[in-house]
Amino acid sequence: DAMVIQNPRYQVTQFGKPVTLSCSQTLNHNVMYWYQQKSSQAPKLLFHYYDKDFNNEADTPDNFQSRRPNTSFCFLDIRSPGLGDAAMYLCATSRTGVSGQYFGPGTRLTVT
Amino acid sequence: AQSVTQLGSHVSVSEGALVLLRCNYSSSVPPYLFWYVQYPNQGLQLLLKYTSAATLVKGINGFEAEFKKSETSFHLTKPSAHMSDAAEYFCAVGGIDNDMRFGAGTRLTVKP
Repeated sequence: DAMVIQNPRYQVTQFGKPVTLSCSQTLNHNVMYWYQQKSSQAPKLLFHYYDKDFNNEADTPDNFQSRRPNTSFCFLDIRSPGLGDAAMYLCATSRTGVSGQYFGPGTRLTVT
Repeated sequence: AQSVTQLGSHVSVSEGALVLLRCNYSSSVPPYLFWYVQYPNQGLQLLLKYTSAATLVKGINGFEAEFKKSETSFHLTKPSAHMSDAAEYFCAVGGIDNDMRFGAGTRLTVKP
């Protein structure tokens, strides 16, 4: 089945220790998104790629970076995680911005 | 800028009763509107989408939504609630710039 895969599902990192979350898709979609979702809140868009074009949200901290080496994979790098970065991180894909998004199961990040 | 507002952060219904989750949008251009459902510790799943075709949109799991331009609304309904419908529901508006803006979410509880 075509799908969006996120690894790992649960990630524990130490305060200040860099961490990378990964996302892959078999849908061959042009657009890939990263969202941060804190408890009982809506997903907050961090950035997205349209093919290789990177689009950063204005209020995304510099601590968050992303890479998309090819159509199938996208990575979220948190350079120096703080306690406030503990959250669920959701990856999503879409064919276009108006076609609806397909979400992965998320990675729950804990910062100790 | 596009945005959506979900009225009611919590909705509780009895099993078999009508489900009505409210969403109003703000957009200077014809909007693309979506409803997503999120179960605990999972990603979001697309329920249905409005992309300027029929104003009454049918989705999965028996849900439907009606686009009403005069009321700037896109409310989600289901005639008869099932226990498995208990989840968080998000309304979202998408644009041609590939962004997706989510509402704050409505938590649906279904009582036996």
